[in-house]
Amino acid sequence: DSGVTQTPKHLITATGQRVTLRCSPRSGDLSVYWYQQSLDQGLQFLIQYYNGEERAKGNILERFSAQQFPDLHSELNLSSLELGDSALYFCASSVIAGGDTDTQYFGPGTRLTVL
Amino acid sequence: DQQVKQNSPSLSVQEGRISILNCDYTNSMFDYFLWYKKYPAEGPTFLISISSIKDKNEDGRFTVFLNKSAKHLSLHIVPSQPGDSAVYFCAASEYRGSQGNLIFGKGTKLSVKP
Repeated sequence: DSGVTQTPKHLITATGQRVTLRCSPRSGDLSVYWYQQSLDQGLQFLIQYYNGEERAKGNILERFSAQQFPDLHSELNLSSLELGDSALYFCASSVIAGGDTDTQYFGPGTRLTVL
Repeated sequence: DQQVKQNSPSLSVQEGRISILNCDYTNSMFDYFLWYKKYPAEGPTFLISISSIKDKNEDGRFTVFLNKSAKHLSLHIVPSQPGDSAVYFCAASEYRGSQGNLIFGKGTKLSVKP
């Protein structure tokens, strides 16, 4: 158990809908990262938050957004869903925000299926 | 353009022997490298890491070697056990101020046969 929790574990929805994925980081971790793993793809970085502020953006679509709350949990919002958004979404957390001692620990993931 | 490459999608090894998983990268600014193990339906589990100032890091049965001039790293598992069967991801990070996102390879599926 990494200490990172994600809910829900599975989510099935229809095209055009909007969903929210939730992540609670490990106790004491200030950074939260979101990654997407599609079929046949490695993990793709989406976005990073550090202590409530956005710090880095990767391959995140404009239909997707995220935020980190004062209690440090984070939510990833996916809207106008398309079939291609079906994927595993992972959250990771780390103590600070990078560097050669800052290891990211991953949650169990949310499997999103868009029908 | 893949910055982190794992060219072997799969590897099969006999129990008790050495498993060697390889990873190549293109960005010379990467300063931290990590290996994660992933079982189906679970999140990646951190295994071992190495800073760019080192060339070797060892933790029990796992050793990571870094060759900066060749932009190559490898994970050695000795001895291999059936429970090591999983997908192994190599990841790299370039620390730029307060950004620390990881760039992952596509993974190598390791099968350890009893």
